[in-house]
Amino acid sequence: GAGVSQSPRYKVAKRGQDVALRCDPISGHVSLFWYQQALGQGPEFLTYFQNEAQLDKSGLPSDRFFAERPEGSVSTLKIQRTQQEDSAVYLCASSPPGLAGNEQFFGPGTRLTVL
Amino acid sequence: AQKVTQAQTEISVVEKEDVTLDCVYETRDTTYYLFWYKQPPSGELVFLIRRNSFDEQNEISGRYSWNFQKSTSSFNFTITASQVVDSAVYFCALSDLNFGNEKLTFGTGTRLTIIP
Repeated sequence: GAGVSQSPRYKVAKRGQDVALRCDPISGHVSLFWYQQALGQGPEFLTYFQNEAQLDKSGLPSDRFFAERPEGSVSTLKIQRTQQEDSAVYLCASSPPGLAGNEQFFGPGTRLTVL
Repeated sequence: AQKVTQAQTEISVVEKEDVTLDCVYETRDTTYYLFWYKQPPSGELVFLIRRNSFDEQNEISGRYSWNFQKSTSSFNFTITASQVVDSAVYFCALSDLNFGNEKLTFGTGTRLTIIP
């Protein structure tokens, strides 16, 4: 079955490089979330989209982080001028429209390592 | 602000033993949802259960059971007759009933190791 997919699965970047992380949600899922998971920690919310509208970006740690979902489907999380503290697993999740409290379906994540 | 506390960082039990994972939450909302997710070594979060704040009934699903107590703000998870395949990191999470944006607040997780 087609779950949430993310690419690349692993990314190594030199400090100062820009990176782009892609998320393909489950078809028909209106809501899309990005989370950051540092080693040994729980995921932390970054940003939320409803269709193409970014309704909450309160979790983005700095203005170096930017996310988009231009056609309401695929989403890209971009990190400019990466820093070592950006090293983490970036998780994407989607959920269907309808009732409140829907479960979020998570992708496998992109592990970013900044050297 | 919402907060989820999983005080047990790591737990190890011998296979077939029962084990309980604790979760305590804080929220000022009167309506909210609680979740448990499993994160096996592959890394993908797997949904286990959802419970809304109006439903305090305990739930059992096979070897898994959940005890939700609003009075103590706890939502504990018990695995009966544990198996090696249960080894994973388990996260408790909370979201408020904010239609359209139900971002999850996660605890720090409990790493469960089942010893054969």
